[in-house]
Amino acid sequence: DQQVKQNSPSLSVQEGRISILNCDYTNSMFDYFLWYKKYPAEGPTFLISISSIKDKNEDGRFTVFLNKSAKHLSLHIVPSQPGDSAVYFCAASDYSSGTYKYIFGTGTRLKVLA
Amino acid sequence: DTEVTQTPKHLVMGMTNKKSLKCEQHMGHRAMYWYKQKAKKPPELMFVYSYEKLSINESVPSRFSPECPNSSLLNLHLHALQPEDSALYLCASSQEVAGGAYEQYFGPGTRLTVT
Repeated sequence: DQQVKQNSPSLSVQEGRISILNCDYTNSMFDYFLWYKKYPAEGPTFLISISSIKDKNEDGRFTVFLNKSAKHLSLHIVPSQPGDSAVYFCAASDYSSGTYKYIFGTGTRLKVLA
Repeated sequence: DTEVTQTPKHLVMGMTNKKSLKCEQHMGHRAMYWYKQKAKKPPELMFVYSYEKLSINESVPSRFSPECPNSSLLNLHLHALQPEDSALYLCASSQEVAGGAYEQYFGPGTRLTVT
């Protein structure tokens, strides 16, 4: 049972354009969401996060939007650069067991074309 | 210093071997995690340590045995593994667990191959 889903396994975007990566979740108790970027043979790198009390958080070229009613979040990268080519994971925090743990989505491979 | 280090980078072991993976962070984080990642899959949580105590075990087989000797170190002891345990093992740390959710910092991982 995949509680965090990224329905697009891959995405190709031209350099300079906007990249939009989507993530859906099923558990309304999730209260904190994160985006990570992963290059091959490396660990994930934290990009940006958002608390469930907000609907938008921005950091440079990266903006995350949260729609709680739809249980959907998205990551916008503007402008996209070739160095952004990587696998992007969204993650949600779950406190139901009394300790925060993070559930990862299935990942989207972004390719930015020069 | 926002680095999480993991050793070794690569490990090949037989099914009867005993080996250990090591993870270290010096960010003062009190939560540490082990994840397993198979190819083209998301990281899958195995264990969470909070203030050096095991707080989550995601029903991991006993052939994987975690240990947190102090707040900076996390080990994963491996014994009698199966070929299907071959994967990338990732360690992560975060600022705090009980007080709220924070971003995790990941190490580069150990690529484990069980023969």
